[in-house]
Amino acid sequence: DVKVTQSSRYLVKRTGEKVFLECVQDMDHENMFWYRQDPGLGLRLIYFSYDVKMKEKGDIPEGYSVSREKKERFSLILESASTNQTSMYLCASSVGGRRNEQFFGPGTRLTVL
Amino acid sequence: GENVEQHPSTLSVQEGDSAVIKCTYSDSASNYFPWYKQELGKGPQLIIDIRSNVGEKKDQRIAVTLNKTAKHFSLHITETQPEDSAVYFCAASPPNTGNQFYFGTGTSLTVIP
Repeated sequence: DVKVTQSSRYLVKRTGEKVFLECVQDMDHENMFWYRQDPGLGLRLIYFSYDVKMKEKGDIPEGYSVSREKKERFSLILESASTNQTSMYLCASSVGGRRNEQFFGPGTRLTVL
Repeated sequence: GENVEQHPSTLSVQEGDSAVIKCTYSDSASNYFPWYKQELGKGPQLIIDIRSNVGEKKDQRIAVTLNKTAKHFSLHITETQPEDSAVYFCAASPPNTGNQFYFGTGTSLTVIP
């Protein structure tokens, strides 16, 4: 079974703090994704990556950056957290090539005070 | 970019009845349409998907239909059970975007025993 793990289930941070959300997948997938999930807005793509050291902006990249130094790990960084970044963050991975199932982690609920 | 609309946002059905969730998409080039189920406290999980060369696909009590002309697709759940209660998301994936998915806003399905 594919397993996507996220470093924290719940996280509380202060405005202005630098926040790291970590995601690890164990199936040697090429593609990795970061989404945020908000009520009534569904899942919105923040950033994605097709390969190590490669990144592409999604629909809402402002205020976020990412890092992919190893194939299995994809990090989401909030350089200076703000209250409007309070949300559920979901990581996903998929095999490269034609459109394939994305496997999701359990999510990190981030609260910025 | 692609825009996916999903209706209804909430749906309640009696156990044993059928449930239908509908989605429309804007990019006629989209050619992969997955459906995800998200249970409380978990990440979304793929339940069924359909590619644009197929009009209908069925897996036990779940079926998906695709009308490319009208640019809409639907999820049908028959003989609903309490464990079908969850949030369901549709998505569309255009070509030449790697494996990028555009998600609908979700439908919260409640099956009343």
